[in-house]
Amino acid sequence: GQQLNQSPQSMFIQEGEDVSMNCTSSSIFNTWLWYKQEPGEGPVLLIALYKAGELTSNGRLTAQFGITRKDSFLNISASIPSDVGIYFCAGQGAQKLVFGQGTRLTINP
Amino acid sequence: EAQVTQNPRYLITVTGKKLTVTCSQNMNHEYMSWYRQDPGLGLRQIYYSMNVEVTDKGDVPEGYKVSRKEKRNFPLILESPSPNQTSLYFCASSLLSPRGFLGAFFGQGTRLTVV
Repeated sequence: GQQLNQSPQSMFIQEGEDVSMNCTSSSIFNTWLWYKQEPGEGPVLLIALYKAGELTSNGRLTAQFGITRKDSFLNISASIPSDVGIYFCAGQGAQKLVFGQGTRLTINP
Repeated sequence: EAQVTQNPRYLITVTGKKLTVTCSQNMNHEYMSWYRQDPGLGLRQIYYSMNVEVTDKGDVPEGYKVSRKEKRNFPLILESPSPNQTSLYFCASSLLSPRGFLGAFFGQGTRLTVV
């Protein structure tokens, strides 16, 4: 099936630093979604992108839908302790979502 | 409150004993799906359903069955569970639009252990 390559797999940062992660695919997607998962919970939608080149913000989070429709990135500015978790990208192909492997974010206070 | 409800949250069972994990959503979503989450592999789709009585295989359907007799419910059935089906399972539902998925809402997960 389709696969997404998400990087980095893990990040260890200091509180207040900016974070950047990205996803690439060999296939074109119509929609890119970014989710966050906290321990013991299901993923929660952060940002949805529907058009190539689209740049969307949600508070300190900013995500972009790549022009080629094969990639997307997520930035988190001025990280805080509650940003800890696993971040997943997801691309919508034909009738289904394909997820990346996740980026585990750890923040040192 | 809009939600996707899975039951049970935790389950330990023995190889070969049939089990069902239930999933229910109260948002009148057309699209429902099951995923399994394993370390380092992210979320992989097992089955999905575009609407009542319409189901299709995802990327890892072997050993699983689903049914969609009502819009709100989408149970996952393991007829003969095996240890390699030990995993964290998530049900999700989405509203469909011409733009695509308007975000998928996930349940809280079912941690299944098959011994």
